[in-house]
Amino acid sequence: QKEVEQDPGPLSVPEGAIVSLNCTYSNSAFQYFMWYRQYSRKGPELLMYTYSSGNKEDGRFTAQVDKSSKYISLFIRDSQPSDSATYLCAMSAWQAGTALIFGKGTTLSVSS
Amino acid sequence: DAGITQSPRHKVTETGTPVTLRCHQTENHRYMYWYRQDPGHGLRLIHYSYGVKDTDKGEVSDGYSVSRSKTEDFLLTLESATSSQTSVYFCAINKGGQQETQYFGPGTRLLVL
Repeated sequence: QKEVEQDPGPLSVPEGAIVSLNCTYSNSAFQYFMWYRQYSRKGPELLMYTYSSGNKEDGRFTAQVDKSSKYISLFIRDSQPSDSATYLCAMSAWQAGTALIFGKGTTLSVSS
Repeated sequence: DAGITQSPRHKVTETGTPVTLRCHQTENHRYMYWYRQDPGHGLRLIHYSYGVKDTDKGEVSDGYSVSRSKTEDFLLTLESATSSQTSVYFCAINKGGQQETQYFGPGTRLLVL
């Protein structure tokens, strides 16, 4: 079993839809959870960061962490064509110096 | 903008030749990382550095070496490039205040023929 599992998609939605992206993980030591957005031929861009369990909201984006289920989610409300990208979940157990463990990414396409 | 530049941005080389990729940061952050990104594998850590002359191996370090002689520069060297090292290479840093998160550079696309 991979440490982090993420459905690669692709996921296609119409503009204005609510998008749900998910990752599951197996290592119960993970405490730090991140979502990155990556546009084609660009570097990953940090989108959301959450420590331990709970929700975090930033504009149209909400990140949820359920450590009991080892499951994290990213919700995008009122999706826009500019949200079309690959979304990577990432997580780590410790602080600086530890590798992030990434999911393989979900490709999202939002059509106008 | 994470304050990271990578050079070169694109490179084509031949099997068996040495290749050096450069990561440069402008903000004197202590931790720097090299990842590679491949279809079907996602991002994987090659090496990281926690200070000048202080480096350690990551998950896929075989065939790679690194050096950090100045805080701002982290070099990744492929001693003798192989076709399996064709990939996109990303440098990342930790920024103060959120040490757990990493910020990525624009990447270097390397093709080994």
